[in-house]
Amino acid sequence: DAKTTQPNSMESNEEEPVHLPCNHSTISGTDYIHWYRQLPSQGPEYVIHGLTSNVNNRMASLAIAEDRKSSTLILHRATLRDAAVYYCTRGSARQLTFGSGTQLTVLP
Amino acid sequence: DTGVSQNPRHKITKRGQNVTFRCDPISEHNRLYWYRQTLGQGPEFLTYFQNEAQLEKSRLLSDRFSAERPKGSFSTLEIQRTEQGDSAMYLCASSPDQGRNTIYFGEGSWLTVV
Repeated sequence: DAKTTQPNSMESNEEEPVHLPCNHSTISGTDYIHWYRQLPSQGPEYVIHGLTSNVNNRMASLAIAEDRKSSTLILHRATLRDAAVYYCTRGSARQLTFGSGTQLTVLP
Repeated sequence: DTGVSQNPRHKITKRGQNVTFRCDPISEHNRLYWYRQTLGQGPEFLTYFQNEAQLEKSRLLSDRFSAERPKGSFSTLEIQRTEQGDSAMYLCASSPDQGRNTIYFGEGSWLTVV
């Protein structure tokens, strides 16, 4: 199965770090790992992507396992606005394969 | 940057009718994508354009579905003889040639077939 595997839901307290895991055990050597998030009734929003090395941007960090079979999206300080469905995807930009995502709830 | 624009945002149609959705990508983005998303699921790839050329099509794109991008700018997705199973959100996305691994989604067009 080319889809990724993520927990259905996770909770975090506001201003605490959140680690969202993703399993992509069948990933090929050329597939990038992308993370998107989606608010209700909106299209997915790009968060971060990477190939082999860990990546950081203003929104989040992406930690990629050495064997590339899993990755973790890290939100350093969760805010209420970070509550969304987070999708870990794989593939080239020409054809991303999404799983069912993780619903992140941020508690005040 | 006006983002990817899709319209209509919502469409309710009777089974058997034809519907068309339009997508205006981000200016100067050569690549354009259509995805479909049903409730509780992640988006599923439908098709991909490089300029006006349709280069990839998913098996999900049955013969009732047709997508065009005639001048390499906006795109249309038409569904003929709609069925209740076509009810979903249809997402358009675009990306530039550089930085090929980030695509930008529009807000989607919701289709309800009754």
